[in-house]
Amino acid sequence: EPEVTQTPSHQVTQMGQEVILRCVPISNHLYFYWYRQILGQKVEFLVSFYNNEISEKSEIFDDQFSVERPDGSNFTLKIRSTKLEDSAMYFCASSAHLDNLPQHFGDGTRLSIL
Amino acid sequence: AQKITQTQPGMFVQEKEAVTLDCTYDTSDPSYGLFWYKQPSSGEMIFLIYQGSYDQQNATEGRYSLNFQKARKSANLVISASQLGDSAMYFCAMRESGGSYIPTFGRGTSLIVHP
Repeated sequence: EPEVTQTPSHQVTQMGQEVILRCVPISNHLYFYWYRQILGQKVEFLVSFYNNEISEKSEIFDDQFSVERPDGSNFTLKIRSTKLEDSAMYFCASSAHLDNLPQHFGDGTRLSIL
Repeated sequence: AQKITQTQPGMFVQEKEAVTLDCTYDTSDPSYGLFWYKQPSSGEMIFLIYQGSYDQQNATEGRYSLNFQKARKSANLVISASQLGDSAMYFCAMRESGGSYIPTFGRGTSLIVHP
């Protein structure tokens, strides 16, 4: 069964550094998402992306964050200047249609900011 | 106000027994979807089951069933014949069709299955 893949599985970064989290959504999916889960807390929506532009974003997704689909397969989340509170698990998800369920999640990238 | 409430931070069940994980939701949208995800200690999010607000029957997927009580706004997950591998965090989520298609997650319930 096709799956969403995320790299790296764990990223350790110094505070203030830029970090790029990478995702390869399922190939025929059109809608892409990033979620965040701070340790021990619930999953929080960050942003959705369709047709090469952001379709929705949450309050968490401020100017420090950006997303990009640099080619036909990758979908990236960039955090420009990381803060300690950015430490979390970041999940990428994709779906074939906007209301298509389930959104297929990747295994996540654990981001640790030192 | 919380849109998804999971009141049980932790649950314990004996292997081979059934367990119910509670989820209540709040929405004024007549069209919505409810679903459950499992998150093992390894961290990945695994989709389990989905229930649409207009579905006449409760959703079932193998050992998972969703006890959907629309008037009570509850969507409890029932796991029958628990297995040790069921030990994980379980998240209930809702997506409302009237506005954003983005799901809102509950805080989760930690399930531990005893041998």
